[in-house]
Amino acid sequence: GESVGLHLPTLSVQEGDNSIINCAYSNSASDYFIWYKQESGKGPQFIIDIRSNMDKRQGQRVTVLLNKTVKHLSLQIAATQPGDSAVYFCAENEGGNDKIIFGKGTRLHILP
Amino acid sequence: SQTIHQWPATLVQPVGSPLSLECTVEGTSNPNLYWYRQAAGRGLQLLFYSVGIGQISSEVPQNLSASRPQDRQFILSSKKLLLSDSGFYLCAWKSVWETQYFGPGTRLLVL
Repeated sequence: GESVGLHLPTLSVQEGDNSIINCAYSNSASDYFIWYKQESGKGPQFIIDIRSNMDKRQGQRVTVLLNKTVKHLSLQIAATQPGDSAVYFCAENEGGNDKIIFGKGTRLHILP
Repeated sequence: SQTIHQWPATLVQPVGSPLSLECTVEGTSNPNLYWYRQAAGRGLQLLFYSVGIGQISSEVPQNLSASRPQDRQFILSSKKLLLSDSGFYLCAWKSVWETQYFGPGTRLLVL
């Protein structure tokens, strides 16, 4: 849903620990999901995606999990580093739709 | 490979002045193009999108307009800026595989 006016929630994680960022999506017909990372002053950067025919996909230090039953998406970052400090957005798309729906974003703060 | 450019990177404009932000995409044909605005510490608000030359869809009523004069060029304009137009403007393109990629953004400050 529309959440552009809300302050972003913050997740604080110790450097070296694993981070888990969660996202609830709205459209049960969505079949494509994306995670973006946005560093301060920059545009969002694609991290990883997953289609609805999968429930898990792994990249370099990142894993996306999809639970279609409860419409939940998560991003796991292994061994969190200072460079992972950013705002993370989830996004969903229903096949053939021109618009991607973005989640509200989560700010990841790394503790030394 | 595909790249997306936005300029200027930063802009300070007085209230009531006109605006023109440009976005161009390289390395792809007939992409969907998007303009978003992001207030500080906030989420992404879709302003306009285009599925082809001359085709513009507006998402929210506002003081801004968009145009797509060429396949890989998307322009965001205003005739008279308001203070509330300040923000971070992001252009994006969408591939046939549905992934959306963003440009570096333009930070606009209206004084």
